[in-house]
Amino acid sequence: AQSVTQLDSHVSVSEGTPVLLRCNYSSSYSPSLFWYVQHPNKGLQLLLKYTSAATLVKGINGFEAEFKKSETSFHLTKPSAHMSDAAEYFCVVKGMDSNYQLIWGAGTKLIIKP
Amino acid sequence: DAGVIQSPRHEVTEMGQEVTLRCKPISGHDYLFWYRQTMMRGLELLIYFNNNVPIDDSGMPEDRFSAKMPNASFSTLKIQPSEPRDSAVYFCASRGLNTGELFFGEGSRLTVL
Repeated sequence: AQSVTQLDSHVSVSEGTPVLLRCNYSSSYSPSLFWYVQHPNKGLQLLLKYTSAATLVKGINGFEAEFKKSETSFHLTKPSAHMSDAAEYFCVVKGMDSNYQLIWGAGTKLIIKP
Repeated sequence: DAGVIQSPRHEVTEMGQEVTLRCKPISGHDYLFWYRQTMMRGLELLIYFNNNVPIDDSGMPEDRFSAKMPNASFSTLKIQPSEPRDSAVYFCASRGLNTGELFFGEGSRLTVL
């Protein structure tokens, strides 16, 4: 069975400093992994996805994530935070045994301090 | 493409009233999903369709909830009768075959008084 754990419910960083949002997954198959972002009062938007190609995945708005099988992690990073990055971020895993089952993390709220 | 379109964006109703939420998926997408998001429970999958056929409705909270997809370009989620605990943001999402990427609408914020 697949599962996903976002290790922090809230992360607070200063504008211009690096961002690290942590995600660990559990999967008995080679997973597909995603990060989605939800800005206040908006729908969810795909930031990036890993589907067994390059382990370092680049997404929109300067975000990237690295798939580390040995650590079962898929942490989301950005070198320099911007005020517009304030949002909630969801890590999602899709197992290869199903064509629909998406397992959502609980979300991490990113707060940007001016 | 205009993306996934949901209506209404906001709905305020009184307990006991019928609520109908609507969704137009992205053209060509085979799958359509209805999610509910609340502060307490986060994002919950209610039901999903494949080629207009309901595949898994195990997330539908109770018989007051029903969903239909009469054709590939339209789906409804109905709550009858509505209760205050149904207050939430309801999202519709669609995706194509063999891809995990979901495209979400902007959501319908429901408030039941």
